[in-house]
Amino acid sequence: QKEVEQNSGPLSVPEGAIASLNCTYSDRGSQSFFWYRQYSGKSPELIMSIYSNGDKEDGRFTAQLNKASQYVSLLIRDSQPSDSATYLCAAANTGNQFYFGTGTSLTVIP
Amino acid sequence: NAGVMQNPRHLVRRRGQEARLRCSPMKGHSHVYWYRQLPEEGLKFMVYLQKENIIDESGMPKERFSAEFPKEGPSILRIQQVVRGDSAAYFCASSPPSSRETQYFGPGTRLLVL
Repeated sequence: QKEVEQNSGPLSVPEGAIASLNCTYSDRGSQSFFWYRQYSGKSPELIMSIYSNGDKEDGRFTAQLNKASQYVSLLIRDSQPSDSATYLCAAANTGNQFYFGTGTSLTVIP
Repeated sequence: NAGVMQNPRHLVRRRGQEARLRCSPMKGHSHVYWYRQLPEEGLKFMVYLQKENIIDESGMPKERFSAEFPKEGPSILRIQQVVRGDSAAYFCASSPPSSRETQYFGPGTRLLVL
C-alpha cells in the first residue's frame, strides 16, 4: 500500500468551474499535509499546507483535512487554464518521512 | 532571495560513468532533501541532510549512490557507475530550521544515461 494515494486523472474541468482533487494517506502519524503544483517539465511548487482538521483557504484554493478519514483535498475555485498542471499531495510525519503521491493531472478547458 | 539552485540542469552520461549533481539551498535554509522522479511517477524521497550530517538516507539505494552536504558549498548527490535505470529527474528541496516540513524545490537535474 502506498503511503499517499491520489487519483491520477486526468481531471478535466471547464474554465470557471471548481476543480476538486483528493488524496488519502495511510500513516496515522502524519501531522502535516501539503499540496504542490507541478507544470510539465518543471519543479514542484508549494501552494498550500494544512495541519489541522477543517478547511484552510488561500485565494482561490481551499485545502481540507480530515484526519479521522485520513483524507486531504484541494478545491480550486474559478479554475483558469493556467491551473492546468499536475497536483501532488504530500504528507509528513513527526520524524523525517515525507511522502508524495503520484499526482493528479488537471486540465482546465477554456 | 534566490531560490534553490541546482546544476547542471541536464546531464548526459554513458553507462558506467559517474554523475555528480549539485544543490545550493535557499539562503538561511539548513535542511536539504533529494528526490527522484521517474516519468509518470511521483517524487520518491532519497535522502535528508543537514550541514555535515546525513539525517535519513532510507530512500537511497544502498549501492552506487551517496550524498553529502559539507560545511561549505553545495550538497552533492553522487551516482557511481550509472545504469540506464538511473535516468530520471533529480530534485533537491530545502527548508528552514523553523519549518522543516515546508520544502522549496529547485529546478531539478535531468539525468539521461545512454
